[in-house]
Amino acid sequence: NAGVTQTPKFQVLKTGQSMTLQCAQDMNHNSMYWYRQDPGMGLRLIYYSASEGTTDKGEVPNGYNVSRLNKREFSLRLESAAPSQTSVYFCASRDGLAASSYNEQFFGPGTRLTVL
Amino acid sequence: ELKVEQNPLFLSMQEGKNYTIYCNYSTTSDRLYWYRQDPGKSLESLFVLLSNGAVKQEGRLMASLDTKARLSTLHITAAVHDLSATYFCAGLSGGSNYKLTFGKGTLLTVNP
Repeated sequence: NAGVTQTPKFQVLKTGQSMTLQCAQDMNHNSMYWYRQDPGMGLRLIYYSASEGTTDKGEVPNGYNVSRLNKREFSLRLESAAPSQTSVYFCASRDGLAASSYNEQFFGPGTRLTVL
Repeated sequence: ELKVEQNPLFLSMQEGKNYTIYCNYSTTSDRLYWYRQDPGKSLESLFVLLSNGAVKQEGRLMASLDTKARLSTLHITAAVHDLSATYFCAGLSGGSNYKLTFGKGTLLTVNP
């Protein structure tokens, strides 16, 4: 059971380049999330997918797009990278069962992205 | 909109001492979570607090929740170097989407 996996682990882009961050979970969770972490800012929600086939904006969605490819996979795309998108990106998943009183989110290892 | 404020943001402690990290939140939160993050690593879940008066303990860490005061605390007893990390609290927005709102984190350094 790998939990939440993310690829790549590290990436360096030039301004204007595009890339897709991949996330997959093997816990059969319904909901998936993308966060970015910047020094002194905590984690901020970019986009989330409450269930397969749905996506919604979070707190900081500008400059990003997402795709919920299937129940397991949720990708984050930067169409034209900017230096302000230099950050650490975390994917998380959560089971959506009403009976699950904890509603805990489980985090992947992160992708460290630098945009020059 | 839920806002979560942690203090202090930086905490330098000596081994063997006690200290408390505070987490205030602005509106009703269905749950309160504490996470630990080591440098360059992901977030590890420490505690999930479900209701008013909830108290959970694991080793030298104890977390509590007071929903009336909209306050959660993470108490560290007899700190050891291995506890050095960044600690985040996060509140849960209700509805069907269960979004977490994080505090900015407390960087804890435990010195010998």
